This record gives sequence, structure tokens and C-alpha cells, in this order.
Amino acid sequence: DIQMTQSPSSLSASVGDRVAITCRANQSIDIYLNWYQHKPGRAPQLLIYAASTLHSGVPSRFRGSGSGTDFSLTISSLQPDDFATYYCQQSYRTLFTFGPGTKVHVK
Amino acid sequence: QVQLEESGPGLVKPSQTLSLTCTVSGGSISSADHFWGWVRQPPGKGLEWIGYINFRGSTFYNPTLKSRVATSVDTTKNQFSLTLASVTAADTAVYFCVRSVTTYRRFDYWGQGILVTVSS
Repeated sequence: DIQMTQSPSSLSASVGDRVAITCRANQSIDIYLNWYQHKPGRAPQLLIYAASTLHSGVPSRFRGSGSGTDFSLTISSLQPDDFATYYCQQSYRTLFTFGPGTKVHVK
Repeated sequence: QVQLEESGPGLVKPSQTLSLTCTVSGGSISSADHFWGWVRQPPGKGLEWIGYINFRGSTFYNPTLKSRVATSVDTTKNQFSLTLASVTAADTAVYFCVRSVTTYRRFDYWGQGILVTVSS
């Protein structure tokens, strides 16, 4: 199995802050890396796929980067709607695996 | 706008079979560009991919669950289903149905999720 890790596991931030989350795979996954936002009781939302491609309708303040084993998700200016948990997911191998999540909460 | 909605019992007894259905609206389940799958999240834990199926019935399952999992598609109702046999308390989770795009195999639409508790 491809193991995914994320850091930090949680972070506190304020509206307007720049936020960065990192995701690491234990082997190369090329650019087969997706990012999701999840709020309690809601359907998770795809933000970024193929490491850096913005999903349709996702605000441009979200940016993904990386390839191989190291990836990042950056929110350029945190908005009130962005407080949520963020997950990375590899789709390089059909046994898809997710990172443990990063919870972004209000400072 | 594609929408997915899970349905099924919220309580299943140990050793019995969990059965869930996902109804797709706003898009056809008979698309060659998509797979239809399931992801679960046990309370307080991370996301686990269960498996998926396409409209032709081709399936891929998580090896850790493969012996107990089955999925099916009903193109006439635009629905797909999950069964998980011989459940235990470890199968208690929120179950999400998802649409996966074949390109980069991203999950572009998710259902809201349904909590299934395994308890006697």
C-alpha cells in the first residue's frame, strides 16, 4: 500500500492568513495526487486533482503543487468558508489511500 | 449538477450484511468516463476507499475488504449498490458514495454520507 502522511495534523489561523499543508507519499506517485475539503455532515469537495489542477468552480486562492513524493496545498488568503478538514489522496495505485487529514480551525 | 445520495439502514447487527444504495441524479451512471464507488470513515478516523464499479460491471476492491465486499450497478434506476458481509463493530462508519473520473481517478462528486452502526 502507498502510505500518505500530512502535516500539520491541525492548525489555527485567521481570516486573511496564508495557509500551507503538506502531504507526503512513501513512494513516488508522479502527479496522481488529489486534495479534498470536508466539513462535518457535508459531502467532501474535490479541490485539486493531478497535484495542481483546480477542479471546476474552486476559488483561485487554492493552489496545489508538487510531484513524486512531496506535495502541498496552499490557501493564499483564508476565507471564513475555508475552515474545514483537508485530505490528500493518491490515485497512482488502484488501492487509493488518503492522508490522515489536516484540520484548519479558527485562531 | 451531479448529486449522489446514499440510502440504507443505519443499524446492522454483527455478522449480518450491510447493504447501501446510491442514487445518482444530474448525470448518467452509464458514462464510460466514470466509475462509481464507496469510501468510508470510522468515527474519529481517516478515510478508507472500499471499491468501485463501472456501468459495465468492472470492479476494483480494497484487498483488505475484498472477501466481504460486492458492488452492483442498476442502469435503469441510475443507482449503484454496496454490500458488505459478516460485519463487525469495526465496520461502523460513515459511508460515502463517490463518482470517480477515469482521468487521474479523482473523486469529483460525493454523497453526504450515511452513518451505519454495527451493534446488537
